[in-house]
Amino acid sequence: AQKVTQAQTEISVVEKEDVTLDCVYETRDTTYYLFWYKQPPSGELVFLIRRNSFDEQNEISGRYSWNFQKSTSSFNFTITASQVVDSAVYFCALTAGGSYIPTFGRGTSLIVHP
Amino acid sequence: EADIYQTPRYLVIGTGKKITLECSQTMGHDKMYWYQQDPGMELHLIHYSYGVNSTEKGDLSSESTVSRIRTEHFPLTLESARPSHTSQYLCASSGRAGTGTGIITEAFFGQGTRLTVV
Repeated sequence: AQKVTQAQTEISVVEKEDVTLDCVYETRDTTYYLFWYKQPPSGELVFLIRRNSFDEQNEISGRYSWNFQKSTSSFNFTITASQVVDSAVYFCALTAGGSYIPTFGRGTSLIVHP
Repeated sequence: EADIYQTPRYLVIGTGKKITLECSQTMGHDKMYWYQQDPGMELHLIHYSYGVNSTEKGDLSSESTVSRIRTEHFPLTLESARPSHTSQYLCASSGRAGTGTGIITEAFFGQGTRLTVV
């Protein structure tokens, strides 16, 4: 069985603050993929990043960075210098083994105040 | 840009009506999924398909049904809509990133259908 836990239900910050969204996953498979999606108020899910289990390199894309640590089964997402447009619900997801079916966390609602 | 389309975007319908939510993708993905989501809440998998003529129920029990007669098309049908079916329905697909590669793509999502049953 696989599971994704996003313990933070809602985070509220002021613009320009840095914020980290936590994601902890569980799987018995050695091959798996981790994802982050953003869901703005309009409702569509926007893909942000994919990371496979054999690649523990951290990644930076502009103000976004991801920290993948197999030792703690975590795949955390940091937004540097947050902006109002970052306000959205962020979902972490896991696809493991041969099932292909993405398992999503409950999501973290990020509110960035001007 | 994702090539997966859902229609309609918004639907308001009376109780007892039969409705079909359409979902099509042009990426040749064999895996397709339907999720149900209340605004800003978690996604619940209600149906999935591994390919043509393959459909399975997901984790969340749903009164809807699906079909997969063609690779690109994965419609969801509610035979008799009820107010409890009011929600957003998201369709998604995934596959392999290139021929011969074992890399699994992310799930590509449609824009969703917001269903209101009155």
